[in-house]
Amino acid sequence: GDSVTQMEGPVTLSEEAFLTINCTYTATGYPSLFWYVQYPGEGLQLLLKATKADDKGSNKGFEATYRKETTSFHLEKGSVQVSDSAVYFCALSRSGTYKYIFGTGTRLKVLA
Amino acid sequence: DTAVSQTPKYLVTQMGNDKSIKCEQNLGHDTMYWYKQDSKKFLKIMFSYNNKELIINETVPNRFSPKSPDKAHLNLHINSLELGDSAVYFCASSQGGGAGANVLTFGAGSRLTVL
Repeated sequence: GDSVTQMEGPVTLSEEAFLTINCTYTATGYPSLFWYVQYPGEGLQLLLKATKADDKGSNKGFEATYRKETTSFHLEKGSVQVSDSAVYFCALSRSGTYKYIFGTGTRLKVLA
Repeated sequence: DTAVSQTPKYLVTQMGNDKSIKCEQNLGHDTMYWYKQDSKKFLKIMFSYNNKELIINETVPNRFSPKSPDKAHLNLHINSLELGDSAVYFCASSQGGGAGANVLTFGAGSRLTVL
C-alpha cells in the first residue's frame, strides 16, 4: 500500500542554519505530494505541494522538489528562524482515492 | 472566520462515558474527515464523508460513530470511552477529495483525555 517515510526527529538547529527534512514515498501511479506544518497547540496547515514529477513547491522560504526517480520530496530552507519551530508532516494523495497518507512527522526546534 | 471549527477544544472525562465532538466547515467543501493524532504525533485517518456519504471507514472500533447531517458538518460520537482513546482528534475538509491535488484544511483539534 501507499506509505510515506520521514526522517525521525527531533531536529535541533541554530537560527539561520540550513534545514533539510527527508521524505520518501511509496505509491502506485503519480501521487500529489504535500508538506504540512503543525505549530504548537494548532491544527495542521498546508506549507507547500507539488502535483507532478520535477515540480517544485515553495512557500515562506521553504522548498521541496518532487523527484520521481528517487521517490522523494525533501523539505529545505536556507535559513531557519525560531518561529519555524514546529512539527512537519510529509503527505501524499492519489487521484481516485480520498486518502491522504501522512508520514510520522518531524519535530524541528530552532534555537536563538 | 474560522474555516474548520471543532468543539470542544478540550474534553476530560471518565472511562466508560460517552462523548461527542462536533465539526463544522464554512468553506463549501464536499468532503470531511476525522483524524486521530496520538501522543507521538502520528496522524491516522478514521473516517471520511463525501456529500454526507461515508467513503472511508478505517479499522476503528464500533464505539466510534461518525454522523454527517449535511456536507458542512461531521460529528464524532464515542461510546464507552477507554484510556486508549486519549488523543487529539482533528477534523478536516477538502474539495473533491480524490482529485489528488486537493488540499486538506484542518481544524484546531479536540484534545480528549480519558481518566
